[in-house]
Amino acid sequence: DAKTTQPPSMDCAEGRAANLPCNHSTISGNEYVYWYRQIHSQGPQYIIHGLKNNETNEMASLIITEDRKSSTLILPHATLRDTAVYYCIVRAAPPLRLTFGEGTQLTVNP
Amino acid sequence: GAVVSQHPSRVICKSGTSVKIECRSLDFQATTMFWYRQFPKKSLMLMATSNEGSKATYEQGVEKDKFLINHASLTLSTLTVTSAHPEDSSFYICSARGHLGQGDTEAFFGQGTRLTVV
Repeated sequence: DAKTTQPPSMDCAEGRAANLPCNHSTISGNEYVYWYRQIHSQGPQYIIHGLKNNETNEMASLIITEDRKSSTLILPHATLRDTAVYYCIVRAAPPLRLTFGEGTQLTVNP
Repeated sequence: GAVVSQHPSRVICKSGTSVKIECRSLDFQATTMFWYRQFPKKSLMLMATSNEGSKATYEQGVEKDKFLINHASLTLSTLTVTSAHPEDSSFYICSARGHLGQGDTEAFFGQGTRLTVV
């Protein structure tokens, strides 16, 4: 699986959009970009995934650059409950193994 | 999304005893289950992968005789920490993927088990 790079921490004001970047410059053609988050002392929660097109669901939007070397997870209206560690994972489908990096600690402030 | 239930959520045991953690997929057939451990302020570390009816595949450095994994059915996998010691104290998390309707599911996670060995 391709390696990913994320900032260790980010802050966001409640109600504003949270934009979480992820670099995956070694991604190969058959690898997907997945995002999970982990709220303190809970198991990770699946958010969204994509291959090359931008994706949107009820939780977030995923923007993947045309060269696929980076992506951005967008939480359009962050709430305090979105405070969590967000993990960007690149891997081939099906998910035979999910390996987690250090992720980004997002803190949403009132 | 699909539901994965992990039990117990917390357990305290004496050093030298064994502890069993259960992971169940409640609304889908889990053909593959993954077990992770997580130390405080650290990321998740994959311990092993198990496919239903097969022996688990352990990651490098994980003792298979200490961490026994059973995946005997499509809805249940268990992790047994044998002869637990204080250094085994950690947050253990299971994940499952499989079949739901016409397609395969993504990997969904249990809520984790906090193991404290005293």
